[in-house]
Amino acid sequence: DAKTTQPTSMDCAEGRAANLPCNHSTISGNEYVYWYRQIHSQGPQYIIHGLKNNETNEMASLIITEDRKSSTLILPHATLRDTAVYYCIVSAPNSNSGYALNFGKGTSLLVTP
Amino acid sequence: DADVTQTPRNRITKTGKRIMLECSQTKGHDRMYWYRQDPGLGLQLIYYSFDVKDINKGEISDGYSVSRQAQAKFSLSLESAIPNQTALYFCATSGSGSTGELFFGEGSRLTVL
Repeated sequence: DAKTTQPTSMDCAEGRAANLPCNHSTISGNEYVYWYRQIHSQGPQYIIHGLKNNETNEMASLIITEDRKSSTLILPHATLRDTAVYYCIVSAPNSNSGYALNFGKGTSLLVTP
Repeated sequence: DADVTQTPRNRITKTGKRIMLECSQTKGHDRMYWYRQDPGLGLQLIYYSFDVKDINKGEISDGYSVSRQAQAKFSLSLESAIPNQTALYFCATSGSGSTGELFFGEGSRLTVL
């Protein structure tokens, strides 16, 4: 699986958009970009994923650059409950390891009042 | 009730003891995973299973073994626990026909003295 690079930490004011970047310059053509988050020491929670096109769901938006070498997760109106560690992962779901995702250290997002 | 249940949630044991962490799921998923998380770090994959007859090693399988007793049950064993196996352990599931979303349990915190 391709490696990802994320900032160690970020701050965001409550109510503002939180934009979390991820670099994955060695991504392969069949690899998807997945985002998860982990609040304190709870089990990680799936947020969104995409291959080429931008994606949006009730939690967030995912913007993938045209060359697919980087992406941005956008939380449009961050709340205090969005304070968490956010993991960007690239993986090919049809590979031998299936969805055995490799989590890095992620970005610790702090949403402040 | 949680879709992915881990027992015990907390366990303190001594070096050399055998420990079993259990995971059960009600999602009807084929695939199950065990991850380990050390303080301040991301998740590392220990073992994963695509079905009852399929077991695969992850990146840090040494010192661990697993058993897939049924589709819904996946146990992780430490045959002879050592202090550096003190960590938070997560079980996860995914469906074979899904788009890559992993569902995590709430974690089992293990302390080896």
